[in-house]
Amino acid sequence: GAGVSQSPSNKVTEKGKDVELRCDPISGHTALYWYRQSLGQGLEFLIYFQGNSAPDKSGLPSDRFSAERTGGSVSTLTIQRTQQEDSAVYLCASSLALLAGGQGPDTQYFGPGTRLTVL
Amino acid sequence: GDSVTQMEGPVTLSEEAFLTINCTYTATGYPSLFWYVQYPGEGLQLLLKATKADDKGSNKGFEATYRKETTSFHLEKGSVQVSDSAVYFCALSDAGGGADGLTFGKGTHLIIQP
Repeated sequence: GAGVSQSPSNKVTEKGKDVELRCDPISGHTALYWYRQSLGQGLEFLIYFQGNSAPDKSGLPSDRFSAERTGGSVSTLTIQRTQQEDSAVYLCASSLALLAGGQGPDTQYFGPGTRLTVL
Repeated sequence: GDSVTQMEGPVTLSEEAFLTINCTYTATGYPSLFWYVQYPGEGLQLLLKATKADDKGSNKGFEATYRKETTSFHLEKGSVQVSDSAVYFCALSDAGGGADGLTFGKGTHLIIQP
């Protein structure tokens, strides 16, 4: 079946502009995750959604970052007033969140990412 | 907080060599452990996982055993191929039965030469 999709695949923007990144999870996956991959910081977890709610937003790097999810499906990550240090690959993942029988968290399946370049 | 430490790369080996990539972790709870792989130009893919102590995850000839006593999850393969060249990430999830973000190591760039 279809995997996690993200758009755009590449985004070049000027410093100070706002950007919106989109993630379409695997159908039926209730949990959705955003990560950032950069040379200096490696892979950083930003935020996750269980359904439409995000229990913990403390992983977002600053108040310029926000994320929402509607209808338990598509999610958008918005970065306002972009800075050069925001340049990175933004990854989205989804999972069933829970496995039956207490087997622990389900596997997270990753999308191809959006490469953001802030000039 | 939780953390994952893995050997820095690049690691360069000849084809058919034995591979070990070390991974150790610290966690407040009883985590699940994962190895993800990122092939050139592709996205992150799950390679294998283990959810409790002494479990062995295996896939594509790779193996890793969850060692609680040494807080380790080392990745091994008996005979590597050129096609194994990729970046390998060790990760943990401390979410218990629920959902939460993964904590990743920095990644190990593996280069296999013919």
